[in-house]
Amino acid sequence: QLQLQESGPGLVKPSETLSLTCTVSGGSISSRSYYWGWIRQPPGKGLEWIGSMYYSGSTYYNPSLKSRVTISVDTSKNQFSLKLSSVTAADTAVYYCARRIPYYAFDVWGQGTMVTVSS
Amino acid sequence: DIEMTQSPSSLSASVGDRVTITCRASQDITNYLAWFQQKPGKAPKPLIYAASNLQSGVPSKFSGSGSGTDFTLTISSLQPEDFATYYCQQYNSYPFTFGPGTKVDIK
Repeated sequence: QLQLQESGPGLVKPSETLSLTCTVSGGSISSRSYYWGWIRQPPGKGLEWIGSMYYSGSTYYNPSLKSRVTISVDTSKNQFSLKLSSVTAADTAVYYCARRIPYYAFDVWGQGTMVTVSS
Repeated sequence: DIEMTQSPSSLSASVGDRVTITCRASQDITNYLAWFQQKPGKAPKPLIYAASNLQSGVPSKFSGSGSGTDFTLTISSLQPEDFATYYCQQYNSYPFTFGPGTKVDIK
């Protein structure tokens, strides 16, 4: 059974770079059938899609964050990563990683990791 | 960007009630519409993909319908475990966007 697990610092200082990793277990990140994505949710608010990537390295970002976001893959570790630069308090959120199958939507999610931006 | 709206934003219902939530897209998304259930402190749980198809393991009391711009999620007989917030999401085109959510609580 496929499982996703987010990891990374829970506290990031303003203006620094937020870095998170999603480890995929029970399946291969290199499958041609899947896309991998990041979604976030500020406390008490709704969901925001950050971006997605294909194992080949193709990436798709939310224009609202595009200038600050990088999503990359490490197939040797079966992981993909999120980097969000120049963070502010507005980037405080629970960050989720998820798998998407075209037509089937995001069907497997990680448990989420809370990231607080504060000095 | 495609804007997703949901109505109502919240509702109160009793166990056994039939509940319907509406989701509207600002432009045609054919049937690329998903529904998620989220409970406090938990990740969203996928319920429905392609507007009307149940994700694996989701009970048949959940159903979805619609195409184009108007969609509905129906819970046929509300049970205590169904009290949660429900989100729709379009994946017809980037950037993917979510509705603001509908909170279902106990009357």
